[in-house]
Amino acid sequence: AQSVTQPDIHITVSEGASLELRCNYSYGATPYLFWYVQSPGQGLQLLLKYFSGDTLVQGIKGFEAEFKRSQSSFNLRKPSVHWSDAAEYFCAVGSSGYSTLTFGKGTMLLVSP
Amino acid sequence: EAGVTQFPSHSVIEKGQTVTLRCDPISGHDNLYWYRRVMGKEIKFLLHFVKESKQDESGMPNNRFLAERTGGTYSTLKVQPAELEDSGVYFCASSQDWRDRGIYGYTFGSGTRLTVV
Repeated sequence: AQSVTQPDIHITVSEGASLELRCNYSYGATPYLFWYVQSPGQGLQLLLKYFSGDTLVQGIKGFEAEFKRSQSSFNLRKPSVHWSDAAEYFCAVGSSGYSTLTFGKGTMLLVSP
Repeated sequence: EAGVTQFPSHSVIEKGQTVTLRCDPISGHDNLYWYRRVMGKEIKFLLHFVKESKQDESGMPNNRFLAERTGGTYSTLKVQPAELEDSGVYFCASSQDWRDRGIYGYTFGSGTRLTVV
């Protein structure tokens, strides 16, 4: 069965500092990988996705993620965090044969002034 | 285009009562999904409609949950009778084609926060 681990429940980053949110997955074949963000009162918004090709993927809002098969990881990064990035971030995995997603527990990002 | 809309945004009910959640997908989207997040846990899949048919309902927790999508448009998720452990946020998502979840990802609604007291 596929699974996703986000080891950090909360992370606090100073505004302007760099960010890395960790995501590890367990899946037998090549996974489809996603990062979603949920801001207060909003739905889940897709930040970026990976399913083939270049292992470094660019997303919206200046985010990027790198797929590392050897480490079963898909970490999310941003070089300079803005206060508006404070939100909860979810990593998810899907497969080509199924239409459902398996999510991690989420990481709450707090941005300090 | 309008996004995925969920009603109500919040609901507080007593244990044993019935609650009905509604999801209006993006117009023209054949695929509609329900997910749930219980506090402190992962967002988990409940079921998937293709038009009015249930494609996959393997995530439905028990027979107190009933989902319908009459006419292949909006969907309802009824919980009857509600229990304390049903509290959480219920998300709906839609896509035009199931493969869209790979290309575009789902489009999620903002969720319904259900509290059972």
